[in-house]
Amino acid sequence: AQKITQTQPGMFVQEKEAVTLDCTYDTSDQSYGLFWYKQPSSGEMIFLIYQGSYDEQNATEGRYSLNFQKARKSANLVISASQLGDSAMYFCAMREGQGTPLVFGKGTRLSVIA
Amino acid sequence: NAGVTQTPKFQVLKTGQSMTLQCAQDMNHEYMSWYRQDPGMGLRLIHYSVGAGITDQGEVPNGYNVSRSTTEDFPLRLLSAAPSQTSVYFCASSQQGLGYGYTFGSGTRLTVV
Repeated sequence: AQKITQTQPGMFVQEKEAVTLDCTYDTSDQSYGLFWYKQPSSGEMIFLIYQGSYDEQNATEGRYSLNFQKARKSANLVISASQLGDSAMYFCAMREGQGTPLVFGKGTRLSVIA
Repeated sequence: NAGVTQTPKFQVLKTGQSMTLQCAQDMNHEYMSWYRQDPGMGLRLIHYSVGAGITDQGEVPNGYNVSRSTTEDFPLRLLSAAPSQTSVYFCASSQQGLGYGYTFGSGTRLTVV
């Protein structure tokens, strides 16, 4: 079974609007971390935001926030006030316990329209 | 700091050839991983290491070999290249601890003909 599921292969959003990228995860561990990365067309992987399983508050980093719903095992990325430079692939990833590598979802391609 | 350095950036191989993708990090990170990225498949884990001398297989290890003799270096060897190994390869490293994400190299675009 997939550990990370991103159900939206592609999305469009109007510039200056907010957009939510979905991510659900599967784990039996109590201790885990959830990450979002951005991959622009240039190809580099850029870390955006992190949420720990024990964090009670949703993580925020500038225009990025993570809508963490532990009981539903979802960790959606919210981008507020979209900009043209936000057009990219976005990957959700999870790390379970100590000593395990990141496992990625298949990604969502976001296109921001002027 | 250079971060994670991958070489080469581009490579074309003939079927059956072998080669080594180099990865080096200067951040004293214990964890290192190799991923391949194919369209529509996300990043899939090939091999990973939690420290010098320790490696383990990921989701798609067949046809690849790794070793970790030093903290800094984590080379990926293609034993006998196949067209199915045409992909973009990323090396990444991380500190120990759940809250640390990976720092990625810039990737190697490999084509096997």
